[in-house]
Amino acid sequence: DIQMTQSPSSLSASVGDRVTITCRTSLNIATSLNWYQQKPGKAPKLLIYSASNMPSGVPLRFSGSGSGTHFTLTINNLQPEDFATFYCQQSFAFPRTFGQGTKVDI
Amino acid sequence: QVQLVESGGGVVQPGRSLRLSCAASESTFRNYAMHWVRQPPGRGLEWVATISYDGRKTHSADSVTGRLNVLRDHAKNTLFLQLNSLRPDDTAIYYCAQNVWFGEVGNEDAFDNWGQGTLVTVSS
Repeated sequence: DIQMTQSPSSLSASVGDRVTITCRTSLNIATSLNWYQQKPGKAPKLLIYSASNMPSGVPLRFSGSGSGTHFTLTINNLQPEDFATFYCQQSFAFPRTFGQGTKVDI
Repeated sequence: QVQLVESGGGVVQPGRSLRLSCAASESTFRNYAMHWVRQPPGRGLEWVATISYDGRKTHSADSVTGRLNVLRDHAKNTLFLQLNSLRPDDTAIYYCAQNVWFGEVGNEDAFDNWGQGTLVTVSS
């Protein structure tokens, strides 16, 4: 199985900050990496797919980059509604695997 | 966007079986691979299974392989997950999700459109 390691596991930030979350994989997965945001009591939401692509409706302050084994999710100008837990996930191979999550709080 | 509504969760005794449903609001459902993802209370996300758009291929996590059956009924626009020999560590919220792309399963898949989830509690 492809192991996913997110860092940090949690962070505290303020409105207006720039936040960067890292995801490392145990194998080269090219760009088969997705990011999700989950708020308490809600289903996850797809933020970034294929490492750097955004579904329609995702604010432009979110961006993803990386390839191979090292990926980042960046949130510019953090907004109050962005406080949540973020997960990376690989679709390079089965079984699909998730990172352990990064909780972003105030 | 297709709305997905899961149902069938509840409290189940260990060793019993459970069938979850995921009803889609539109027939475009039939063009997309579908996924099941679960989340134990207070914990992270775990992929459970994927079924191809035509239902011919399924993939599942090792933790459920041999105990799981995933199928889809295009006449009813519904996805099903049957999990047998339930164990306490199957306790989780179960989500269905639509693939971001239509067509075949591939390495550009992502879990795009999610249902609200249904809670399964395995306990005696």
